Amino acid sequence: QVQLQESGPGLVKPSETLSLTCAVSGYSISSGYYWGWIRQPPGKGLEWIGSIYHSGSTYYNPSLKSRVTISVDTSKNQFSLKLSSVTAADTAVYYCARRGVATLDGFDYWGQGTLVTVSS
Amino acid sequence: DIQLTQSPSFLSASVGDRVTITCRASQGISSYLAWYQQKPGKAPKLLIYAASTLQSGVPSRFSGSGSGTEFTLTISSLQPEDFATYYCQQLNSYLLTFGPGTKVDIK
Repeated sequence: QVQLQESGPGLVKPSETLSLTCAVSGYSISSGYYWGWIRQPPGKGLEWIGSIYHSGSTYYNPSLKSRVTISVDTSKNQFSLKLSSVTAADTAVYYCARRGVATLDGFDYWGQGTLVTVSS
Repeated sequence: DIQLTQSPSFLSASVGDRVTITCRASQGISSYLAWYQQKPGKAPKLLIYAASTLQSGVPSRFSGSGSGTEFTLTISSLQPEDFATYYCQQLNSYLLTFGPGTKVDIK
């Protein structure tokens, strides 16, 4: 059974960097698939942040690209998100998820999500 | 960017009703569309991918259709556990986008 679990600080100060990790169990990241981050501001819809392939190739939402870094650590079977220069607009529930390699594939496994609040 | 719109934004229905949600893309996306269900406080759940392929384990009362710019999600007989918000997602471009969501509530 594939499971994903987000972890990281729940409170980040404005202008600082948000850092989250997604630990994957039940599947080896190095075996394939895309691994992504999606966020959802309170009471609002879903926004794709970016994805990383197991090889390390990354794809970012252009609206966030200048501030986002996604990396993978196959030795720990986890991948990470860093979002710099955060503002209150970055307050959201952050989800990590797995997506199949075919273009037609959606995100089939998701973490439970973690709320990150940006506030001083 | 490929924009997605959903209609209606809100739907009130009764158990046993047939429910249809529409998703429209700002440009043709072939069959590169997925549907998700999200319940309050929970992560989204993949229901359908490739516009009409049911994800493993999803009840057969859910179905999807369409291609190009217009897509539909149909629930043939609404069950109590189906009251949730439904999102479409386009997978045609590297910039993945979601629709704004349709909330299905109890009448």
